[in-house]
Amino acid sequence: DSGVTQTPKHLITATGQRVTLRCSPRSGDLSVYWYQQSLDQGLQFLIQYYNGEERAKGNILERFSAQQFPDLHSELNLSSLELGDSALYFCASSVTGGEQFFGPGTRLTVL
Amino acid sequence: AQSVTQLGSHVSVSEGALVLLRCNYSSSVPPYLFWYVQYPNQGLQLLLKYTSAATLVKGINGFEAEFKKSETSFHLTKPSAHMRDAAEYFCAVRAGGGSNYKLTFGKGTLLTVNP
Repeated sequence: DSGVTQTPKHLITATGQRVTLRCSPRSGDLSVYWYQQSLDQGLQFLIQYYNGEERAKGNILERFSAQQFPDLHSELNLSSLELGDSALYFCASSVTGGEQFFGPGTRLTVL
Repeated sequence: AQSVTQLGSHVSVSEGALVLLRCNYSSSVPPYLFWYVQYPNQGLQLLLKYTSAATLVKGINGFEAEFKKSETSFHLTKPSAHMRDAAEYFCAVRAGGGSNYKLTFGKGTLLTVNP
């Protein structure tokens, strides 16, 4: 158990819908990272937050957004969902510059 | 910019045999390098990391990796494979230092261990 929790574990929805994925980092970790794992793209970095502020952006679509709240949990919002958004979404947390600990992931299926 | 190439999407070994998973990296700055393991339906677990100290890095579960700057490689080895080592392995790189901590992953290598 990495100490990073993600909910829900599985999510099934339809095209065009909007979903929210939630992540709680390890106690004391100020940085949260979101990654997408799909069969065709592999593991890709989406976005990083540090203590509530966006720090770095990767291959994140404009339909996707994230935020980190004062209690340091983070949410990834995916809207206007397409079939190709089906993937595993991982959250990771770390102290600044340290090892990233990964959560168990949320498996999103878009039908 | 950083990138990672993992040679061989699938490696199959016999139980007790040497495990060698290959990783080559590209980085415009001194890199930090990582190996993660992913068991079915689970998240990623860090096996070991190189952060510019010793070039031979020992990790968990008997794995080790050697950083070779001249070859831009960070291959993962284990002297004797166990059935429980069957999983997918990912090599990752990030820029050492600075404030950009994003990990860039390779495509992964699926390790099969045969009895």
